[in-house]
Amino acid sequence: QSALTQPASVSGSPGQSMTISCIGSSSDIGAYKYVSWYQHHPGKAPKLLIYEVSQRPSGVSNRFSGSKSDNTAYLTISGLQADDEAYYYCCSYAGTNIFVLFGGGTKLTVL
Amino acid sequence: EVRLVESGGGLVQPGGSLRLSCAASGFTFSTYWIHWVRQDPGQGLVWVSRINGDGTTTTYADSVKGRFTISRDNVENTVFLQMNSLRVDDSAIYYCTRGAPGDSVWFGPWGQGILVTVSS
Repeated sequence: QSALTQPASVSGSPGQSMTISCIGSSSDIGAYKYVSWYQHHPGKAPKLLIYEVSQRPSGVSNRFSGSKSDNTAYLTISGLQADDEAYYYCCSYAGTNIFVLFGGGTKLTVL
Repeated sequence: EVRLVESGGGLVQPGGSLRLSCAASGFTFSTYWIHWVRQDPGQGLVWVSRINGDGTTTTYADSVKGRFTISRDNVENTVFLQMNSLRVDDSAIYYCTRGAPGDSVWFGPWGQGILVTVSS
């Protein structure tokens, strides 16, 4: 089973909103509620942003939100800030044999 | 504060072995799954392996099955990844991360990662 499909890069201006897509299949994103999103600044530890499609851990800004439609998950970042410039990865449970799949990552540039 | 710190990486020749360690603190270690996830050079994240709280259940990605072994020491609060028969395509940054409680599936927090380079 292939990795989930994310756009390689997106860009936006400060204050704008940005949505990153994550395309899977009926065997992963479409089948389970276990979609999560991670923010990764290179050289640092990845950080959990969203779990179970739309749940936000304590301490994560409410500018980050998640949703899902059929086989595609979405991460929306509102009010873009300079510090949001990072890589973003989606992840989905894919059953007991594969366990999880990650997306290839999306580089967000804040212009 | 929950912390995970990886160590043991480095340069190794193809066919060689390496043992990674993940030292944890700040939580009840023996009650959590711990996972290894790697980031191949210029690529995305790939899940590698996991171990449950008491060490009785382990799972591996097909790409490392039979070559890698995960284990844990709940006295020292450390998880190990023994990597044998290493290949060039095992070169990556390896992260350890805590699994979600209960039946959910997510990862956090993460360590900062350790670099493994397999090259002759």
